[in-house]
Amino acid sequence: GESVGLHLPTLSVQEGDNSIINCAYSNSASDYFIWYKQESGKGPQFIIDIRSNMDKRQGQRVTVLLNKTVKHLSLQIAATQPGDSAVYFCAEGGGSQGNLIFGKGTKLSVKP
Amino acid sequence: DAGVIQSPRHEVTEMGQEVTLRCKPISGHDYLFWYRQTMMRGLELLIYFNNNVPIDDSGMPEDRFSAKMPNASFSTLKIQPSEPRDSAVYFCASSPEPRQQYFGAGTRLSVL
Repeated sequence: GESVGLHLPTLSVQEGDNSIINCAYSNSASDYFIWYKQESGKGPQFIIDIRSNMDKRQGQRVTVLLNKTVKHLSLQIAATQPGDSAVYFCAEGGGSQGNLIFGKGTKLSVKP
Repeated sequence: DAGVIQSPRHEVTEMGQEVTLRCKPISGHDYLFWYRQTMMRGLELLIYFNNNVPIDDSGMPEDRFSAKMPNASFSTLKIQPSEPRDSAVYFCASSPEPRQQYFGAGTRLSVL
């Protein structure tokens, strides 16, 4: 598939370690924030979302943290596995707009 | 459900030719989105529809690009005439509401 990682921030972690991927968003009026995962040659896939009235949400092996004071979003992946290798995008949306605004993405590489 | 279906998966054409990309959204989803992804610009929203009506086409690069949604189960993105700078991966996504978008596998377009 197309390489989308040549100019992306890259995070390299050892298998089994925890990963933290960060994102700064722009619109303080956004109602919700979403993390997507894109594997090579595939379309982005929804992972987890969080509403603006929350500061933490947990899923299976993933946790999203929202800090509205500094407009910062993070995705934590516990016990990172080789299958987690992908490009991760944050997105924001809500308010009067019906679409999502995507960030540039971070490439996660998991070393066995 | 088979998910969002895009065709063709790959398209190679010569500059000046017309290109038509197709998308079948997930049944029952009211929203349909067209995105373009390149290494330089990341994931860009081109246009989105709600109940077959175009809501925001501000991301469409220029008049060479047009999109239609004649019914709830089909949409097209057309480029006429195509140019080498249009080379990218084009994604279609659908959703019951804007937040959780389901992406197709994309169409890789190469304009020579």
